[in-house]
Amino acid sequence: DQQVKQNSPSLSVQEGRISILNCDYTNSMFDYFLWYKKYPAEGPTFLISISSIKDKNEDGRFTVFLNKSAKHLSLHIVPSQPGDSAVYFCAASARGGGADGLTFGKGTHLIIQP
Amino acid sequence: DVKVTQSSRYLVKRTGEKVFLECVQDMDHENMFWYRQDPGLGLRLIYFSYDVKMKEKGDIPEGYSVSREKKERFSLILESASTNQTSMYLCASSPRDRDSDTQYFGPGTRLTVL
Repeated sequence: DQQVKQNSPSLSVQEGRISILNCDYTNSMFDYFLWYKKYPAEGPTFLISISSIKDKNEDGRFTVFLNKSAKHLSLHIVPSQPGDSAVYFCAASARGGGADGLTFGKGTHLIIQP
Repeated sequence: DVKVTQSSRYLVKRTGEKVFLECVQDMDHENMFWYRQDPGLGLRLIYFSYDVKMKEKGDIPEGYSVSREKKERFSLILESASTNQTSMYLCASSPRDRDSDTQYFGPGTRLTVL
């Protein structure tokens, strides 16, 4: 049973516009959420995270929104740039000092078109 | 900067061989993890460790074992490699931190089992 779902395998956005990547989760014990970016043949790079005590976290062009009642989070990238083309993974944890592994979604391939 | 290194970027082995994948982190992190990434499946947790000589099974431990003799080093062992273990293997580490579950990834090892 998939506990973290990214229902869009791919997303195409024009350069300069907003990219919105979505993620849903089913486990109500999850209270910490992260977004990672991954280029082919490289390891995932941490982008941004949010704790369940917040509903928004912003870092430069990246903003993550959390809707706990809907068990939904989204990543907004504004403005989108060609270097943003990559696979984006949503991840979640039920925190206990970080000792447990993260549960990942299957990823969304973001393509930024010039 | 956190640095996680993996012993090989690309590896080709034969069915039945014993395979060692090595991971080293230089940030004195307590927690270390091994994942595999397969197309359409995202990242799946194989094993993790929250202290030296400690290990815990993740979601897909079958066919794998691990060793953590030193804090900075976490090894993944394929006792008898099989073709269904052809995958991208990713090592990660994280500090023991109640306020964050962020994990930092190495560049990955692309393993092909023939």
